[in-house]
Amino acid sequence: DAKTTQPTSMDCAEGRAANLPCNHSTISGNEYVYWYRQIHSQGPQYIIHGLKNNETNEMASLIITEDRKSSTLILPHATLRDTAVYYCIVSRRALTFGSGTRLQVQP
Amino acid sequence: DAGVTQSPTHLIKTRGQQVTLRCSPKSGHDTVSWYQQALGQGPQFIFQYYEEEERQRGNFPDRFSGHQFPNYSSELNVNALLLGDSALYLCASSSDGTGYTFGSGTRLTVV
Repeated sequence: DAKTTQPTSMDCAEGRAANLPCNHSTISGNEYVYWYRQIHSQGPQYIIHGLKNNETNEMASLIITEDRKSSTLILPHATLRDTAVYYCIVSRRALTFGSGTRLQVQP
Repeated sequence: DAGVTQSPTHLIKTRGQQVTLRCSPKSGHDTVSWYQQALGQGPQFIFQYYEEEERQRGNFPDRFSGHQFPNYSSELNVNALLLGDSALYLCASSSDGTGYTFGSGTRLTVV
């Protein structure tokens, strides 16, 4: 699986968009980009995934660059309940978690 | 529709003992993966089961073994427990490799 690089931590004001970047420059053609988040002491929660095209669901949007070497997860209107560790994972089969980005949503 | 169910939720074992953790996958899912998460770290992949066979394995010793049953449920067995095996053990189920659903985990403490 390709390695991913994410900032260690980020802050976001409540109600504003949270944009979480991820670099995956060694991604191969058949690897998906997944985003999960983990709220303290709970199991990781699936957010969104994509292969080439941008994706949107009820939780978030995923923007993947044309060369697929990086992506951005967008939470359009962050709330305090979005405070969590966000993991960007590039994988064809089993998920390999890195250290993630700790997002703190501020009131 | 029940999600992934893991049992027990908490467990305390003595060093050298053996432990078995259980996982029932989400309805419709046929693949089960197991992860170990130490405090303050991301989950580490242990292995994945599909069609009752171990399909992929992470960098864990043979003390860690598993099984998948015909109903797709799975067990994780750890022998000769070490203090360092204390962690949150997570089970994730999926189908066709996309959209993994995680359980809430089993918190194992080795004393």
